[in-house]
Amino acid sequence: GQNIDQPTEMTATEGAIVQINCTYQTSGFNGLFWYQQHAGEAPTFLSYNVLDGLEEKGRFSSFLSRSKGYSYLLLKELQMKDSASYLCAVRLRRQLIFGTGTRLQVFP
Amino acid sequence: GAVVSQHPSRVICKSGTSVKIECRSLDFQATTMFWYRQFPKQSLMLMATSNEGSKATYEQGVEKDKFLINHASLTLSTLTVTSAHPEDSSFYICSARGGGGSSSYEQYFGPGTRLTVT
Repeated sequence: GQNIDQPTEMTATEGAIVQINCTYQTSGFNGLFWYQQHAGEAPTFLSYNVLDGLEEKGRFSSFLSRSKGYSYLLLKELQMKDSASYLCAVRLRRQLIFGTGTRLQVFP
Repeated sequence: GAVVSQHPSRVICKSGTSVKIECRSLDFQATTMFWYRQFPKQSLMLMATSNEGSKATYEQGVEKDKFLINHASLTLSTLTVTSAHPEDSSFYICSARGGGGSSSYEQYFGPGTRLTVT
C-alpha cells in the first residue's frame, strides 16, 4: 500500500518560520506536491518537486530527497492567513495520493 | 490558471435518494478527472479516476455501483451518489488534468461539493 505521513497539527507565531515534514513510502514516484487547504475549500497548489533539492517561491519553499522518501514545506514570515491545512501528495503514474495533512495554526 | 467548477456547491438530500455532482473544466480539455472524498479533519481520499470515453477506475473499498462516474466529454465528469445514506455525507472534490504541455502534471481542483444526507 501507499503510505504518506505528516504531523497532524502544528502551531507557530506570526512572523516566525515553520517547517512541515512529509515522509512517503509509495509504489512509484513521479513528483511530490504541496497544497494549502482552508476549511471548507478545495486545495490550492503551492509547489511541485520532482528532482532533489530546494524549490523557493516567495515565502514558501519546498525540499525533496527521493533517496530518503522525504520532503518538507518551509513557510517564512508567517501570517495569520497561513492558518490552514497543508497537504503533501505524491504523484504516481496516473494519480495523486494525499498524505494525512497538517493543520497549522498561526497565533499573533 | 485553469479553472474547474463544481455544481452544486452544497446539497442536502434525504436518505435513499440519489444526488448528481457535476465537474467541469472551463478553459481546458481534461483528459483525466479525479474524484476525491474528504471527511471532517481528514485528508483527501481518492475515490476514482476517469478518462474521457472510458470506464472509471475505482480505488479499493469504493463501490462502483454506489458511486457512478461518467466522463462523457473532455470538459465534463459527473459523480452520482445512488441511494445515499447519512454516512455518505462528506465533502466531494473533483480535479482535472489536461492531456499535455508543461503543466500536464498539475491537477486543478474544483471548489468542492458539501453533501449532507439526512
